[in-house]
Amino acid sequence: NAGVTQTPKFRVLKTGQSMTLLCAQDMNHEYMYWYRQDPGMGLRLIHYSVGEGTTAKGEVPDGYNVSRLKKQNFLLGLESAAPSQTSVYFCASRLDGSGANVLTFGAGSRLTVL
Amino acid sequence: EDQVTQSPEALRLQEGESSSLNCSYTVSGLRGLFWYRQDPGKGPEFLFTLYSAGEEKEKERLKATLTKKESFLHITAPKPEDSATYLCAFRSGTYKYIFGTGTRLKVLA
Repeated sequence: NAGVTQTPKFRVLKTGQSMTLLCAQDMNHEYMYWYRQDPGMGLRLIHYSVGEGTTAKGEVPDGYNVSRLKKQNFLLGLESAAPSQTSVYFCASRLDGSGANVLTFGAGSRLTVL
Repeated sequence: EDQVTQSPEALRLQEGESSSLNCSYTVSGLRGLFWYRQDPGKGPEFLFTLYSAGEEKEKERLKATLTKKESFLHITAPKPEDSATYLCAFRSGTYKYIFGTGTRLKVLA
C-alpha cells in the first residue's frame, strides 16, 4: 500500500520550460490537492479536485494547470516555468464523507527554476 | 477572514524539558483542527484531529488540546527523535484546509 506517490522527486528547469508533476494514490480517495510550500509561508493550495474529471482553483493557481482524468491520478502542469515557481510541491488526498477529514500527503517534489 | 497563526516559530529544548506549541485560529465554523509532523525532506504526517472545544488527544509524548480560539500541542519529556516541524491546520468549508507556517522543534540530547 504505497499511499500517495509523487514523481519526480527533484527537477531543475530553465525559465520558460514546461513540465508535469504526477500524483498517484492507491487509497480510492475522492479528493486530491496540490500545495506548494515555501519558507515562512506554509502550505498554500494551488488547485484541487473533488472527483474524477473535476478541478478547481485554490489560493495560488496562476501559472499552473491541472487534470484529473483518472480517479487515482492528479497532474500538475507548468506551461512556462518562472523562478517564482521554485518551491516544494506536495500532493495530498482524502476520502469523501463528513468524517473523513484527514489529508494524506506525498513525499514532495522539489522544483528549481533557473 | 479565516487564518491560523503558530507560535513560536522555532523552539529548542533539552531532552526531557516539556513545553507547548500554540496554534491560534479564527474561522467561521470549525470543521476540524489538525496537527501534522513534518520531517526534513518529507511530507506532513498526520498526528491528531480535534473537533470541539475541550477535546484532548494523546499519542506517546504528545497531547493535543483545543479551545474556542487555540490549540496546544504539549510535548512531555521530549526526545531527540521528536525534532521536526509541527504544523497545525483547520478545515475551511467543505474542501479547503488552511495551514499555519509551523513550529520548528529541536530537541537536544
